[in-house]
Amino acid sequence: SQKIEQNSEALNIQEGKTATLTCNYTNYSPAYLQWYRQDPGRGPVFLLLIRENEKEKRKERLKVTFDTTLKQSLFHITASQPADSATYLCAPSGNTGKLIFGQGTTLQVKP
Amino acid sequence: DAGVIQSPRHEVTEMGQEVTLRCKPISGHDYLFWYRQTMMRGLELLIYFNNNVPIDDSGMPEDRFSAKMPNASFSTLKIQPSEPRDSAVYFCASSLADRLYGYTFGSGTRLTVV
Repeated sequence: SQKIEQNSEALNIQEGKTATLTCNYTNYSPAYLQWYRQDPGRGPVFLLLIRENEKEKRKERLKVTFDTTLKQSLFHITASQPADSATYLCAPSGNTGKLIFGQGTTLQVKP
Repeated sequence: DAGVIQSPRHEVTEMGQEVTLRCKPISGHDYLFWYRQTMMRGLELLIYFNNNVPIDDSGMPEDRFSAKMPNASFSTLKIQPSEPRDSAVYFCASSLADRLYGYTFGSGTRLTVV
């Protein structure tokens, strides 16, 4: 069955450092992969989408990579800030519209 | 646009009662999704619609759960009868057909069944 794995342990880093979150998937051949941010008590918010034929995508301080051979996506936040503290969810998906999420990784950025 | 609108924000009900959750997607969006989120199971897809037609309901846990989308601007998720294990946050989301701009989620309905 399809499986999505994200670091279950919280990631604690110092302000100004780069945070790197991992998303691994199995039994999947996604056409693209999405990353979302979720704050406590709120719904997920879309951040970035990367397609299977794209190696890397950037948006401001965010960078996403997508390695279809390794079946892995990495999500980077450079120059991290306390305001970046949240849970980050990855969601590989095909062309059907169905979007399945990983469990998410909680990031804590300390000042 | 006001985004995806869900109601109510909070619902507390007694076991055995019927619960109806409501969602208004973003105008012009072709897809609508219902998710359930718990600490144990994370964010689970229950059902999704394309142009008001249910496409995949394999995530609906039991026959007690049903969802409808009578028109492009309204959807309901009904639980009858409700049970304590249904307690969770239920999210509705919508997206355009090409999905390149991601999915927009509502603020969720926190359901507590006592």
